[in-house]
Amino acid sequence: QKEVEQDPGPLSVPEGAIVSLNCTYSNSAFQYFMWYRQYSRKGPELLMYTYSSGNKEDGRFTAQVDKSSKYISLFIRDSQPSDSATYLCAMRVTGGGNKLTFGTGTQLKVEL
Amino acid sequence: GAVVSQHPSWVICKSGTSVKIECRSLDFQATTMFWYRQFPKQSLMLMATSNEGSKATYEQGVEKDKFLINHASLTLSTLTVTSAHPEDSSFYICSAREGQRPSGNTIYFGEGSWLTVV
Repeated sequence: QKEVEQDPGPLSVPEGAIVSLNCTYSNSAFQYFMWYRQYSRKGPELLMYTYSSGNKEDGRFTAQVDKSSKYISLFIRDSQPSDSATYLCAMRVTGGGNKLTFGTGTQLKVEL
Repeated sequence: GAVVSQHPSWVICKSGTSVKIECRSLDFQATTMFWYRQFPKQSLMLMATSNEGSKATYEQGVEKDKFLINHASLTLSTLTVTSAHPEDSSFYICSAREGQRPSGNTIYFGEGSWLTVV
């Protein structure tokens, strides 16, 4: 079993839809949770950064962490074609050399 | 946000030669940088953690003599792929941790470097 599980997709939605992306994990020591967006042939771009459980909102993006269920989500409201990319969840423990453990990424396509 | 720059963006080299990839933090000091490798449609695989002024820490299965890492300053880390072979062809990405606290710092990624060994 992988430490972090993420559905690779692809996920195709119409423009304007609400997108829900999710990851589950097995290591209860993870405390920091991140979502990265990666366009084809580019490096990952940090979207959201959350510590422990709770919600965090930034513009059209909302990140949720439920540590009791070991489940994290990223919601994208009013999705745009420019949101089409691969979304990677990542997480790490406190200290531990800051090593990130990534999900496999979910490929999202927002269609006109 | 913080910017991490990688150079070159893409490189083609002959089998048996060595290639150096640079990773720079442009507007912050990074005591720790990370090197990843990513194959098509797969997630990032951590290769090594680079600490300024000390030896890099390699992940299991990564050959330290083949992937030489040097972190000579707080803004620059380099990855040298020595005696490259076609199977080393991949997308190499670096990241840098902003700040010096042991936890709670944001990690930013470079744009990546495509290596093709022919």
